Parts: sequence; structure tokens; C-alpha cells
Amino acid sequence: GQQVMQIPQYQHVQEGEDFTTYCNSSTTLSNIQWYKQRPGGHPVFLIQLVKSGEVKKQKRLTFQFGEAKKNSSLHITATQTTDVGTYFCAGPITNDYKLSFGAGTTVTVRA
Amino acid sequence: ETGVTQTPRHLVMGMTNKKSLKCEQHLGHNAMYWYKQSAKKPLELMFVYSLEERVENNSVPSRFSPECPNSSHLFLHLHTLQPEDSALYLCASRQLNAGQAGDEQFFGPGTRLTVL
Repeated sequence: GQQVMQIPQYQHVQEGEDFTTYCNSSTTLSNIQWYKQRPGGHPVFLIQLVKSGEVKKQKRLTFQFGEAKKNSSLHITATQTTDVGTYFCAGPITNDYKLSFGAGTTVTVRA
Repeated sequence: ETGVTQTPRHLVMGMTNKKSLKCEQHLGHNAMYWYKQSAKKPLELMFVYSLEERVENNSVPSRFSPECPNSSHLFLHLHTLQPEDSALYLCASRQLNAGQAGDEQFFGPGTRLTVL
């Protein structure tokens, strides 16, 4: 069945460096959502992308939706300790009710 | 901070116990979800309720029994669980807008369940 795959699973980043996490779907998605879960916390919605090729920015975070609407990326510049956590992408599968979540990228930051 | 609350936050139970998890959303949403989050596994969708009607049962064992008495409340009744059921159980709510932007899910803080 349709699944949303996410890489890398772990990302160890030096404070101040940039990194990117990638999300891929086997089929076209109507939209892609990104969530962040801090250690010991619960997923919190970050953003939703709907249009082909869409790019949205939130301060140091840049989200992109691929032209074919099958992949997405999250790029963080100048990583800070507040960026620690797990970032999930999610896309609707089968019907509008269900979201398929990627396995997440867990980010740790070296000061 | 969050419009979705869950109780209890932590639960330890034996395999023969019966317990219930409660979720309440204060956002006026029309859909509610139960997810299971285990260590090193993706979020697993368990159940979906839309307008108090169950629209999805994702092949969940019968030892998990959901109940949605109204659009604001969702329960997960547990009985004869197994140790492998130990996980974080997350409730979420959402306003279904037929594909329009803004249909994100709002998660509760979760119930950390340990089955002995």
C-alpha cells in the first residue's frame, strides 16, 4: 500500500550547521504535512504544503513540495539546540481521513 | 497550550486488568483519532471517528475497544493487554475540510502505557 518514507532516521548536527530531511511517497499526494515532536512531547503541526513545487519558510526552516507531489524536504539552517526533536512528514493515504506518517528524522545537536 | 487533553498521562497495568484512556478536544473538530507510538516505530493509526461514527479500524486487535460518545470525547478501552502493547497512545483531532488547507491534526499529550 501507499506509504510515506523518510530519511535519514537520525541526524547528528553540529550547532550552527545546516541539514535536510527528505520525505518520499510511492504515489502522488494531495498535500504533505510536517510535524515536530520534542523529546517527551507529542507531535506538533508545523506546516502544510498543497501546491506542486511549493516552498514555504518559517524562520530558519524551509519546506519544499516536489513538482510531482511525491516528495518533500525540510531544510534547517544554522541549527540551534531548540531544533532538537523528531521531525515527521505525513501525507493522506487511501482517503482524506487517514494520514500516513513517515518514520521521522530524530535530530540531535552538538554544542 | 493544547486543545486536546488526555488522561491519564501515565498508566501501568497488568495483563488481566481493564482500563480506559480518555481524550477530550476543545477545538470543535469533527474527527478524532487514536494512534500508537512505539519506540523506533512510525506512528500507527488505530482508529478514526468522523462525526462520532467509526470510519477506520486499522486491523487493531479486539483487546482495544474505542468509544466515541460525542464529537468532543473519545475513549480507548483496554482489556487483557500484552506487554508488547506498551507504548505512547496519542489522541488527535481534526476538522475535515475535504482537502482544503488547514486540515492539520492536533495531538494530545499522550498516555504512556506500560503493561506488566
